[in-house]
Amino acid sequence: AQKVTQAQTEISVVEKEDVTLDCVYETRDTTYYLFWYKQPPSGELVFLIRRNSFDEQNEISGRYSWNFQKSTSSFNFTITASQVVDSAVYFCALTGDSGGSNYKLTFGKGTLLTVNP
Amino acid sequence: NAGVTQTPKFRVLKTGQSMTLLCAQDMNHEYMYWYRQDPGMGLRLIHYSVGEGTTAKGEVPDGYNVSRLKKKQNFLLGLESAAPSQTSVYFCASSYEFLVSEAFFGQGTRLTVV
Repeated sequence: AQKVTQAQTEISVVEKEDVTLDCVYETRDTTYYLFWYKQPPSGELVFLIRRNSFDEQNEISGRYSWNFQKSTSSFNFTITASQVVDSAVYFCALTGDSGGSNYKLTFGKGTLLTVNP
Repeated sequence: NAGVTQTPKFRVLKTGQSMTLLCAQDMNHEYMYWYRQDPGMGLRLIHYSVGEGTTAKGEVPDGYNVSRLKKKQNFLLGLESAAPSQTSVYFCASSYEFLVSEAFFGQGTRLTVV
């Protein structure tokens, strides 16, 4: 069985602070994919990043960066110099191949980030 | 640039009533999904479709039915006899590859069953 844990239910920061959202996953699959999605107050989910299990290189996109560590089964997301527009619920998700091509997508419960001015 | 469009956006049903949620996408994706989002639960997959005329059960399929019309872009979610436990926010999504590529989501349908 696969599992995604986002231990931080809510985080509140002041604008310009850096903030890291934690994601820990469990899977028995050799091949798997990790995702982050953002859900702003408007409600729709927006894709941020995908990582496959063979690529541990960290990624930076503007103020966003992701740290993938297989040794600790973590895929953490850092926002540098946070802004009010970053306020949203952030979901980490995992797709694994549970035998053959039988993929299953599991979402974490989400972290509500509030950035205060 | 519509992407994924869901209708309606809000609905209140009485227990036992039926309704259909409509999802349409204009990206020519083969794969489409229906999720429900409940507080503290993340998103859970209800049903999905891997192509025109095909559907399959996801994690929480009970109480729902789906159909993928001949027109590849549409994916319908039906509730035959609504129950209060089906009060939720429903999201439709589509993707180019099955679950391993970026998914595009609709804006959601907030359903309340009283």
